[in-house]
Amino acid sequence: DSGVTQTPKHLITATGQRVTLRCSPRSGDLSVYWYQQSLDQGLQFLIQYYNGEERAKGNILERFSAQQFPDLHSELNLSSLELGDSALYFCASSAGWDRPNTGELFFGEGSRLTVL
Amino acid sequence: EDKVVQSPLSLVVHEGDTVTLNCSYEVTNFRSLLWYKQEKKAPTFLFMLTSSGIEKKSGRLSSILDKKELFSILNITATQTGDSAIYLCAVGWASGTYKYIFGTGTRLKVLA
Repeated sequence: DSGVTQTPKHLITATGQRVTLRCSPRSGDLSVYWYQQSLDQGLQFLIQYYNGEERAKGNILERFSAQQFPDLHSELNLSSLELGDSALYFCASSAGWDRPNTGELFFGEGSRLTVL
Repeated sequence: EDKVVQSPLSLVVHEGDTVTLNCSYEVTNFRSLLWYKQEKKAPTFLFMLTSSGIEKKSGRLSSILDKKELFSILNITATQTGDSAIYLCAVGWASGTYKYIFGTGTRLKVLA
């Protein structure tokens, strides 16, 4: 158990809909990263938050947005869903820039999204 | 362009064999290199390497980093069918914040 919690584990929805994926980082971790992994694809970085602030953006579509709340949990919102958005969405957390063990990155179990 | 390249892309071996997985990288402001094992779901953290030449070991797995030649290897000795997985390499680098770039992985299949 990595200590990173993601919900829901599975989600099936229709095209055009909107979903929210939730992530609770490991206790004490300030940084949260979101990744997308499509079938047989590598991990594509979407976005990173550090202590409530957006710090880096990767290949995140405009239809997607995220935020990190004061209690450090994070949500990834996916809207106007398309078939191609079907993927595993991972959240990962790390201690943070100025913390001990900076660099260790731990993943949640992922949320599998299926868009029909 | 920052990148992480893993080789081979896939590998099939028999139980008891020893395998070596490679990861080379080109990033600015390198901070760490991480290895993960991914079976059906989440990548599981194996090692983090920050210093050249210091081997990290856990059971039958070991890894070493060469910061001069910009690569790392992951060795698995006496492979077992349970080692079948995708092995991911990631590089952590710093540019205002801590970022990670992942390679596409090496798919290892161990046959009984």
